[in-house]
Amino acid sequence: DAGITQSPRHKVTETGTPVTLRCHQTENHRYMYWYRQDPGHGLRLIHYSYGVKDTDKGEVSDGYSVSRSKTEDFLLTLESATSSQTSVYFCATQNHYEQYFGPGTRLTVT
Amino acid sequence: AQSVTQLGSHVSVSEGALVLLRCNYSSSVPPYLFWYVQYPNQGLQLLLKYTTGATLVKGINGFEAEFKKSETSFHLTKPSAHMSDAAEYFCAVRDTYNNNDMRFGAGTRLTVKP
Repeated sequence: DAGITQSPRHKVTETGTPVTLRCHQTENHRYMYWYRQDPGHGLRLIHYSYGVKDTDKGEVSDGYSVSRSKTEDFLLTLESATSSQTSVYFCATQNHYEQYFGPGTRLTVT
Repeated sequence: AQSVTQLGSHVSVSEGALVLLRCNYSSSVPPYLFWYVQYPNQGLQLLLKYTTGATLVKGINGFEAEFKKSETSFHLTKPSAHMSDAAEYFCAVRDTYNNNDMRFGAGTRLTVKP
């Protein structure tokens, strides 16, 4: 397994507050991804990174931003959290063909 | 863009019975295909993948899947279900030219009855 950790694992926040989720990998994989998982939708790509300081938008990027200042860390920021962003967030890295997933962060926006 | 349809959001089988989880994909270029499994409160774990070559691919825990281009399908099977197979299963597709566009199906929850 790729060594991927996510923090925090659970968070409850209020509407309108900024939130940052962290993904840390120990495998030196170049590609990193943030997904959200919602019932009936599977996983949907929010943003991805193809190197330090190189990021791009995914399918559902509105309301989210990312940063990658080091190979091992990929941050996801909700600028102003909304109830529609209540979800489980997964970070992934990619090496060759497959993606490796972190344990997830359950975010609740009240 | 490519897409995935998983037929059946819930599948229930008896222990020892055949497991069949259906996946159909849409892709304008040759696809890479994947099956992932997710246990409660965990991330996704790769079961198996098809990239090129042999169309019948074997994965972990006794699962296998067959890539059928003519049917645009990649169904997951296991001859004999075990209680530990109860989980959610996701089919995913990625085209061979775009490294960053992996599309997932909505998932199929497998229940195994004793």
